Amino acid sequence: NAGVTQTPKFQVLKTGQSMTLQCAQDMNHEYMSWYRQDPGMGLRLIHYSVGAGITDQGEVPNGYNVSRSTTEDFPLRLLSAAPSQTSVYFCASSYGDGTYEQYFGPGTRLTVT
Amino acid sequence: KNEVEQSPQNLTAQEGEFITINCSYSVGISALHWLQQHPGGGIVSLFMLSSGKKKHGRLIATINIQEKHSSLHITASHPRDSAVYICAVKASGNEKLTFGTGTRLTIIP
Repeated sequence: NAGVTQTPKFQVLKTGQSMTLQCAQDMNHEYMSWYRQDPGMGLRLIHYSVGAGITDQGEVPNGYNVSRSTTEDFPLRLLSAAPSQTSVYFCASSYGDGTYEQYFGPGTRLTVT
Repeated sequence: KNEVEQSPQNLTAQEGEFITINCSYSVGISALHWLQQHPGGGIVSLFMLSSGKKKHGRLIATINIQEKHSSLHITASHPRDSAVYICAVKASGNEKLTFGTGTRLTIIP
C-alpha cells in the first residue's frame, strides 16, 4: 500500500494564480482532511470529507475549495493564491473520525509570492 | 487560551536520558493522539488513547481524564528520537481534531 500520497511536494505560485493540490489514499478510508501547518501554530483544519460526495468546512476554509468524487481522491483547490496561503499543507485520512488512527501524507510546501 | 497546550515547547537532552513531554487540554475528550513529525516533515501516528496507558517499544503514553492531562515518555532516548511531538484531541461531540503546537525534541549524542 502506498498509504496517503500528495503531489506536488513543492510549489511556488504568484499572487492570483490558481492550482490544485492532489491527495490520494489506497486504504479505503472514509474520512479525509486537509490541514495547513504554519510556524508557531498547530495544524489547522481547512476542509474535510466523511465520504465520497460529502465535504464540509473546517477552521480556515476561506480561499480553498474541495471535492470528493471518489473514496480515494480528495483534491484541494486554491482559487486565487495569496501570500497568506504560504504554508505546508497536509492531507490525512482515517477509517472514521478523530477516534481512529490518522494517516498523513508527506506534505506540500507552498510559497505564494 | 488554546484548547491544547504542550510543554515544554523545546527540549534538549543527552542521549540515554528519560524524556517527558506534557499535553494539557481544556475540554472533555473522547480520544487523544500523539504524533511525531520528523525533520523531513512527515507526520506519523504514535499513539491514540482514551484512558490509561499505552506502550510501544521505548515510548509510553499516559492519560489522566479527570486532570485533562497526557504525557509522552521516551526511555533511553536516542538521537533518532529527535523530532517534533504533537498532541491532538478529539473533543466529545466533535468529530474533528484540535492540535497542539508541538514540542521540539533534540537528543544530543
